[in-house]
Amino acid sequence: DGGITQSPKYLFRKEGQNVTLSCEQNLNHDAMYWYRQDPGQGLRLIYYSQIVNDFQKGDIAEGYSVSREKKESFPLTVTSAQKNPTAFYLCATYKSAGGNEQFFGPGTRLTVL
Amino acid sequence: DAKTTQPTSMDCAEGRAANLPCNHSTISGNEYVYWYRQIHSQGPQYIIHGLKNNETNEMASLIITEDRKSSTLILPHATLRDTAVYYCIVRNMDSNYQLIWGAGTKLIIKP
Repeated sequence: DGGITQSPKYLFRKEGQNVTLSCEQNLNHDAMYWYRQDPGQGLRLIYYSQIVNDFQKGDIAEGYSVSREKKESFPLTVTSAQKNPTAFYLCATYKSAGGNEQFFGPGTRLTVL
Repeated sequence: DAKTTQPTSMDCAEGRAANLPCNHSTISGNEYVYWYRQIHSQGPQYIIHGLKNNETNEMASLIITEDRKSSTLILPHATLRDTAVYYCIVRNMDSNYQLIWGAGTKLIIKP
């Protein structure tokens, strides 16, 4: 089945630790995105990548880092510099430039203790 | 900031049509109206989009006013599985595919 995989679904970390969230897609889509969602709020864009080895900051990139070494993978690292990392993180793709439908993964809920 | 205004919550009886309004009074000529929904603790799901003409697909219908300042998403026969948060988004097709998400409308379908 084609789709977007995010793992794990729930993640717990101690304050001050870096943590990497996985996002893998087998849709052969060019563009990949990371969003953050806080309770009762809409999604906010962290980073996006339109092609391999290239990515751009979104609206709330501070405290996060990404890489895009393969078309299928777009991992997000939440660093200790992120002041309020506890949130629901969503990975998404677009098929190509100008794509209409954005596809989303199931999300990872990160809790920092 | 989101460019759309939606009611915080709505109820609808199962089997009836659910009509979700959205105001986008500052929409410009090259901006499309998109609708997504998010069932609790899942990733959002694309529903429909349009520019100025009404659109229909297997999930819903989208009615856009002639001045394009508002729109309505219609779920013709709501089921309990349609309970979700519905997001109306105005998308500039020149903006690197970015979507600006508001808080959406929590739609509760009641039996």
